[in-house]
Amino acid sequence: DIQMTQSPSAMSASVGDRVTITCRASQGISIYLAWFQQKPGKVPKRLIYASSNVQSGVPSRFSGSGSGTEFTLTISSLQPEDFATYYCLQHDTFPWTFGQGTKVEIK
Amino acid sequence: QVQLVDSGGGLVRPGGSLRLSCAASGFTFTDYYMSWIRQAPGKGLEWVSYIGSSGDVIYYTDSVKGRFTISRDNANNSLYLQMNSLRAEDTAVYYCASAVAGPGNDYWGQGILVTVSS
Repeated sequence: DIQMTQSPSAMSASVGDRVTITCRASQGISIYLAWFQQKPGKVPKRLIYASSNVQSGVPSRFSGSGSGTEFTLTISSLQPEDFATYYCLQHDTFPWTFGQGTKVEIK
Repeated sequence: QVQLVDSGGGLVRPGGSLRLSCAASGFTFTDYYMSWIRQAPGKGLEWVSYIGSSGDVIYYTDSVKGRFTISRDNANNSLYLQMNSLRAEDTAVYYCASAVAGPGNDYWGQGILVTVSS
């Protein structure tokens, strides 16, 4: 199975900060990676698909990049509503696997 | 509007069975592959199972193989997860979801809690 390792596991940041979350795959997955945001008690919401395609309706401050084994999710200017947990998902090979999550907290 | 409504969860003893259902509306169900994804209390997301749009392609995560069965009824816009030989570690909120890998829109059910405990 492909292991997805996210870093950091948690972070504190301030409104307006640039935030970068990394996801590393244990083997190459081309661009078959999606990013999700989940707020406490809420259903996950997809932000990015195919590594760098921003989902319709998602603010432009969110962007994704990468291919192969290393991927990043960037929030260019963190907003109050962005404090949440973020997950990557590889869908190159079954079984699909999520990263363990990155919790973004208020500094 | 698009809706996925999960049902069928509850409390079950170890070794028991449950059948989860997901009723879809507001989109062309037969066009979409579907997944079950779960989240144990206080933990991260775990992909559980996938079924293709016509039901002919099915995959599972290793920990549920041989115990869980995913199926769909395209005539009734419904997705199912039959869960047998349940274990404490299967305790989680279970979400049905469509097209989570993209492109296009992903849709999620509200989630249903399954608790396996004696």
